[in-house]
Amino acid sequence: GAVVSQHPSRVICKSGTSVKIECRSLDFQATTMFWYRQFPKKSLMLMATSNEGSKATYEQGVEKDKFLINHASLTLSTLTVTSAHPEDSSFYICSAADRDLQETQYFGPGTRLLVL
Amino acid sequence: AQSVAQPEDQVNVAEGNPLTVKCTYSVSGNPYLFWYVQYPNRGLQFLLKYITGDNLVKGSYGFEAEFNKSQTSFHLKKPSALVSDSALYFCAVSKRDTGRRALTFGSGTRLQVQP
Repeated sequence: GAVVSQHPSRVICKSGTSVKIECRSLDFQATTMFWYRQFPKKSLMLMATSNEGSKATYEQGVEKDKFLINHASLTLSTLTVTSAHPEDSSFYICSAADRDLQETQYFGPGTRLLVL
Repeated sequence: AQSVAQPEDQVNVAEGNPLTVKCTYSVSGNPYLFWYVQYPNRGLQFLLKYITGDNLVKGSYGFEAEFNKSQTSFHLKKPSALVSDSALYFCAVSKRDTGRRALTFGSGTRLQVQP
């Protein structure tokens, strides 16, 4: 149990285009999903917290207009990188928190974004 | 603010020997502590957690960790390392805060188990 999927696993796009990444909890309901960014050989940096049915809470320094987050259901959250630039190239990882407040976050396999 | 320190960038151990990956934390109030493992180009896999109760927590793949409140530590241990344990290990802390359960991660420790 507690499986989280992400799609796509890898995406290459041209500068200026938008990219949507999906995060799904496959076998549990997640009231909260989190989006992280990981640079090579670095730790995970929290970008935003996504609550089902409400607006996402962004961390300081993260542009909400550039990284659009939607959490429309208890099993799906999406991150859209708008007008992507090469500096947005990174490994994006989502996680989902179990609804029964077990405190454990389960992570997706990640999406590697390369902006040319 | 909460923080996590993993003082070792890399830990090398021979297969069959015990391993320890160190973690210390700083948080106001009671911490929730986690260990995750990451294999190359993959997401994080949950290993174990401390929420409350026994200070010694047993997790997946034979790993365990001991919560030490006085030393604010949560070191990861395994009695006998396997080559397949080689990966990147992250310690994380969270604190219940008005509905958010955001994790703060340490910088990660690369474990290399030599055959």
